[in-house]
Amino acid sequence: ETGVTQSPTHLIKTRGQQVTLRCSSQSGHNTVSWYQQALGQGPQFIFQYYREEENGRGNFPPRFSGLQFPNYSSELNVNALELDDSALYLCASSLEVPNSPLHFGNGTRLTVT
Amino acid sequence: DAKTTQPNSMESNEEEPVHLPCNHSTISGTDYIHWYRQLPSQGPEYVIHGLTSNVNNRMASLAIAEDRKSSTLILHRATLRDAAVYYCILRGDSGSARQLTFGSGTQLTVLP
Repeated sequence: ETGVTQSPTHLIKTRGQQVTLRCSSQSGHNTVSWYQQALGQGPQFIFQYYREEENGRGNFPPRFSGLQFPNYSSELNVNALELDDSALYLCASSLEVPNSPLHFGNGTRLTVT
Repeated sequence: DAKTTQPNSMESNEEEPVHLPCNHSTISGTDYIHWYRQLPSQGPEYVIHGLTSNVNNRMASLAIAEDRKSSTLILHRATLRDAAVYYCILRGDSGSARQLTFGSGTQLTVLP
């Protein structure tokens, strides 16, 4: 069973640039969600995708967007990067059933300078 | 969102049991209690969840108070590999309530 994999593991970008982060879901999982974790804090929910459509969103601006592909892999796109976007971005996959555990990847560490 | 309250940090000796408390006085009838942990430099890892009855799995046990306003995660024999931040999370069973709302968690230190 292949777990959740994210790429790249580390990334450095300049303020105002755009970034795309990628996630491969665990085999058999049809739901993917993204979380942002600032240093020293718990992860914060960004959004969730099911059947290639966004079906839940946290308190993040529209410059945070995503995609889910037919093979259930996913991308997180962030436009017009700000310094406060520096964080660990976590992808999690699960089944679309109540209380299905989330399986997290080890994240992408984004630094915005 | 229903909130949880956990101690910021706890210490335990290796091979001894650890009881990690969580208060959730505003829990609703449909909220499940979930626990995740995050080891250094890794993503969160699912530990256990329950609704009303106590639950056991290979990783831990979850003891839920009769009024559901508190719960305790029990690690029966702590090892050095259990050192992590433990998050207690209330999770609904439909729509946006299914998302995980993480607090600050409890940093568990295991002493050799």
